[in-house]
Amino acid sequence: EVQLVESGGVLVQPGGSLRLSCAGSGFPFRNYWMHWVRQAPGKGLEWLSFINNDGSRTTHADSVKGRFTISRDNAKNTLYLQMNSLRAEDTAVYYCARSVVGNDYWGQGTLVTVSS
Amino acid sequence: DIVMTQSPDSLAVSLGERATINCKSSQSVLYSSNKKDSLAWYQQKPGQPPKLLIYWASTRESGVPDRFSGSGSGTDFTLTISSLQAEDVAVYYCQQYFSAPYTFGQGTKLEIK
Repeated sequence: EVQLVESGGVLVQPGGSLRLSCAGSGFPFRNYWMHWVRQAPGKGLEWLSFINNDGSRTTHADSVKGRFTISRDNAKNTLYLQMNSLRAEDTAVYYCARSVVGNDYWGQGTLVTVSS
Repeated sequence: DIVMTQSPDSLAVSLGERATINCKSSQSVLYSSNKKDSLAWYQQKPGQPPKLLIYWASTRESGVPDRFSGSGSGTDFTLTISSLQAEDVAVYYCQQYFSAPYTFGQGTKLEIK
C-alpha cells in the first residue's frame, strides 16, 4: 500500500526555521517526482515545490523561492522541505504528494503555525 | 505563470442531478508529445487531503466512479458529475501540470440543494 507520512509541523515564531519530512513507503520512492502543496486555513491549495526522481531538478513557487528548499534522500525514502524566514502567511497544512500525471497519492498533511 | 480560473466558486445541486464545474487556463496546457491536455481534477472533503479524480483532462483515475467525467481542450475544461450523490459534497480543484509552477484553480464548493 502506498503511504506518504508528513512530520515536523509545529508552532514556530516569525523569522524561524523548520524542516518538514515526508516518508514514503509501499512504492519505489526513487522512481517518482515529488511535490509539496500547502493549504492555509479555510483556503485553497497552493503548489509550492517539485523535485525530480534523482533530486537533480527542483522548482519553487515565487511565494517561497529563496526561503524554502525541497530535497530528498532516496536511500531513506524521504522527502524534505527546509523552511526559513517563516512568516505568518506561511501558516498552513503542508502536504507532500507523489506525481505521475497529476498527484495520485497525498499524505495526510502536517500543520505549520507561524505565530509569536 | 499559468493562471487557472474556476467557475462557479460555489454550486448547489439536487441529489441525482448533474453538476458542472468549469476551469479555464490562461494559456494552452497541451502536451505536444501525446497531444493531451495536462489538466487534472481533484476532490477534497473536509479534513482530508485532495483525491485525484481525472488526469489528462478526461482520463478517470482508477476506482473513481463513472459518474465523474472530464472534458475540454486547449484552455477550457469541465468536470461533470452526472448524477450527484450525497458523498460528492466537497471542494473540487483543477490543476495544470504542463509547466511549473503547477498551479491550482481557486476551488469550487459543491453542496446539496
